[in-house]
Amino acid sequence: DVKVTQSSRYLVKRTGEKVFLECVQDMDHENMFWYRQDPGLGLRLIYFSYDVKMKEKGDIPEGYSVSREKKERFSLILESASTNQTSMYLCASGRDRVTEAFFGQGTRLTVV
Amino acid sequence: RKEVEQDPGPFNVPEGATVAFNCTYSNSASQSFFWYRQDCRKEPKLLMSVYSSGNEDGRFTAQLNRASQYISLLIRDSKLSDSATYLCVVKGDNNDMRFGAGTRLTVKP
Repeated sequence: DVKVTQSSRYLVKRTGEKVFLECVQDMDHENMFWYRQDPGLGLRLIYFSYDVKMKEKGDIPEGYSVSREKKERFSLILESASTNQTSMYLCASGRDRVTEAFFGQGTRLTVV
Repeated sequence: RKEVEQDPGPFNVPEGATVAFNCTYSNSASQSFFWYRQDCRKEPKLLMSVYSSGNEDGRFTAQLNRASQYISLLIRDSKLSDSATYLCVVKGDNNDMRFGAGTRLTVKP
């Protein structure tokens, strides 16, 4: 079974803090993705990566950065958390551009 | 314009009904297509892939029309357990993966 693990299910951070969300997959997948999901807006792509050290901006990269130093791990960084970054964050991984992707359980981040 | 557009619903149908969802995408170079299902407070999970020739999995039928750039999902004989949000997913030629906003389905007794 494919496993995608996100480091925290729930997180509360203060405005201005630097926040790290970690995602690890155990299937040697090339592609990894970060999304945020908000009511009425669906899943919006923040960043994705198709290889180690490679990253591409998605639709809403502002205020975020990512790191992929190892194939199995893809980190999302909120440089200076703001209240409008309160959301559910979902990580996914997939083998290629043809087959399906698998999701982690999500991190519900609240910025106060 | 969003890359993947979906009617958000909600769709409220009685058990046994047939319901159809549609989704349109804007990038003609899109490579692959899927329907995912998401239950409340859970992560999305693959329901089925969508192939050019159309494909069926039990009560579920998915179709792809590349010329018109739309994808559809048909659910026959709806069950209470089909209540969920259905997400249309499109993979691009640059390894990206984009979702529609989701269509919420409630099946009632």
